[in-house]
Amino acid sequence: SYELTQPPSVSVSPGQTASITCSGDKLGDKYSCWYQQKPGQSPVLVIYRDSKRPSGIPERFSASNSGNTATLTISGTQAMDEADYYCQAWDSTTVVFGGGTKLTVL
Amino acid sequence: EVQLVESGGALVQPGRSLRLSCAASGFTFDDYAMHWVRQVPGKGLEWVSGISWNSGSIGYADSVKGRFTISRDNAKNSVYLEMNSLRAEDTALYYCAKCWTGSYLNNFDYWGQGTLVTVSS
Repeated sequence: SYELTQPPSVSVSPGQTASITCSGDKLGDKYSCWYQQKPGQSPVLVIYRDSKRPSGIPERFSASNSGNTATLTISGTQAMDEADYYCQAWDSTTVVFGGGTKLTVL
Repeated sequence: EVQLVESGGALVQPGRSLRLSCAASGFTFDDYAMHWVRQVPGKGLEWVSGISWNSGSIGYADSVKGRFTISRDNAKNSVYLEMNSLRAEDTALYYCAKCWTGSYLNNFDYWGQGTLVTVSS
């Protein structure tokens, strides 16, 4: 079955750029998306179709997908961005989530 | 406003069955695929099952295949998850999620608040 791998944790200082990776076999040949989940809340879509932002998502969220890796980038990271982030993709019959990355803003 | 309201979660003994429901509103339900995703508290998201807009395409995670059945009733704007032969490892918060398109192989744009299923003797 298809697998997506994320680092368990990433730390960033306020105002700096955070990058979270998601790796999978030929992931660049598929569409990827990203969700943000804060404690006690349901996930929120922040990136779809590799790099598109839904309405209401700040411009500081961007992403790319090429080769075997998709990357979520948060520029000018704010304290409110501290959350768990999950990548997601799909193959011919199943939907797959990465294991999630806890972003700490310190 | 899109709303997804899950119900049916409960404490159930191993080997028993449970049916989850998700009532949708605020969008044209029969245009979109729907999903169930679960999350053990403190752990990551796990996709459980998805169903296309017309029930023509359905998918399951290997961990639930043969035990869980997803269905929908477009007349009632609802999606269901019938869970049989429940195991302790099925214990989780179960989210209902709306898919971006009518095909279930896509991203999700709205999520419910979840319903808790606990499998324990």
